[in-house]
Amino acid sequence: GQQLNQSPQSMFIQEGEDVSMNCTSSSIFNTWLWYKQDPGEGPVLLIALYKAGELTSNGRLTAQFGITRKDSFLNISASIPSDVGIYFCAGRDGSGNTGKLIFGQGTTLQVKP
Amino acid sequence: DAGVIQSPRHEVTEMGQEVTLRCKPISGHNSLFWYRQTMMRGLELLIYFNNNVPIDDSGMPEDRFSAKMPNASFSTLKIQPSEPRDSAVYFCASSPQLTGELFFGEGSRLTVL
Repeated sequence: GQQLNQSPQSMFIQEGEDVSMNCTSSSIFNTWLWYKQDPGEGPVLLIALYKAGELTSNGRLTAQFGITRKDSFLNISASIPSDVGIYFCAGRDGSGNTGKLIFGQGTTLQVKP
Repeated sequence: DAGVIQSPRHEVTEMGQEVTLRCKPISGHNSLFWYRQTMMRGLELLIYFNNNVPIDDSGMPEDRFSAKMPNASFSTLKIQPSEPRDSAVYFCASSPQLTGELFFGEGSRLTVL
């Protein structure tokens, strides 16, 4: 079945540093979504990508849909303490008009003030 | 605007008991998804509906799990009988259309003793 490999699994960085995380899939996707989850809350959508090569920003966050359609990355610039949380990539199969959205295992981000 | 509303937020029950989780999607959203989150398996898609019709229930772990969507504003996920391995956070999410972005509720944390 489809799998998403998300890396790194966790990161511990200093406030002000930039962060990069990525996801790769075993098959072609037509949608990549990036979510953030805080403790005790549901995932919150950060960025949505629908076209290969698309580069989209949301404040200090930037995400790209890989040209091969099998990968995506998320960058966070100038990290701040409230960036702490778990970041998930999610992708949707490109082979058909299916709604099935699968999630990566998550990247846990810790920011040291 | 109200987001996805789930209830209960927390449930503790004993093995063998019936559990019913409830979800009210965002008004106007046509698709509804049920996910389960555990440390070991991450976010797993259980079942999703489009226009109140179940589209894919291949993620439902066993016959003990069932889900219904009697109308556009309400869905239930039922576990009968519950087992300790069902302990997890169950999320409901809705989307404007089948291939759109998912918006999550805050989750229902289930503990089966």
